[in-house]
Amino acid sequence: GESVGLHLPTLSVQEGDNSIINCAYSNSASDYFIWYKQESGKGPQFIIDIRSNMDKRQGQRVTVLLNKTVKHLSLQIAATQPGDSAVYFCAENGRGAQKLVFGQGTRLTINP
Amino acid sequence: DTEVTQTPKHLVMGMTNKKSLKCEQHMGHRAMYWYKQKAKKPPELMFVYSYEKLSINESVPSRFSPECPNSSLLNLHLHALQPEDSALYLCASSQEPLSALSYNEQFFGPGTRLTVL
Repeated sequence: GESVGLHLPTLSVQEGDNSIINCAYSNSASDYFIWYKQESGKGPQFIIDIRSNMDKRQGQRVTVLLNKTVKHLSLQIAATQPGDSAVYFCAENGRGAQKLVFGQGTRLTINP
Repeated sequence: DTEVTQTPKHLVMGMTNKKSLKCEQHMGHRAMYWYKQKAKKPPELMFVYSYEKLSINESVPSRFSPECPNSSLLNLHLHALQPEDSALYLCASSQEPLSALSYNEQFFGPGTRLTVL
């Protein structure tokens, strides 16, 4: 069945370092992927998305990489700041599906 | 206005109560969603409304009853809930329903923290 999962449930990095959050998916029909950030007590906030016809997309301090061969998605955050501390979810949408399937989430902690 | 609002922020109710959660967006989005999120878990889809019509019900118990009075509003009526229904209930909207022709992000509201006693 469909599943979207993450390799690591928690990740701690030093402030100023780069962080990489990984996500594996199993649905080969997935063609749209989103990364969300959820801070404590808040709803998920859109970070960046990528379509399956791309393998890399960059935003402000964030980069998403998509490897369709191994069904792997990653989110790179450059020069992490305390405000980056949150739970990060990947989500995928299969072609023709009307819903997103969320991964289990990774808690990112930024150490001062 | 680029946000999804939800009321109330917190709700405590007994198992015999009837209450409603409300969600509103003024972005002209034509798809709206209800999710349930338990602590330390990802959001789980409950319902999808596309163009004000219910298009997906993820086998949600009938004690949860969604309603879409117009394109800007989405309600979730609650009746005879169980303690295990305690969770964060998130509303989201997107410009268009997700489909093979449309890739568009979902904007989430802050959620309603529901506690069932």
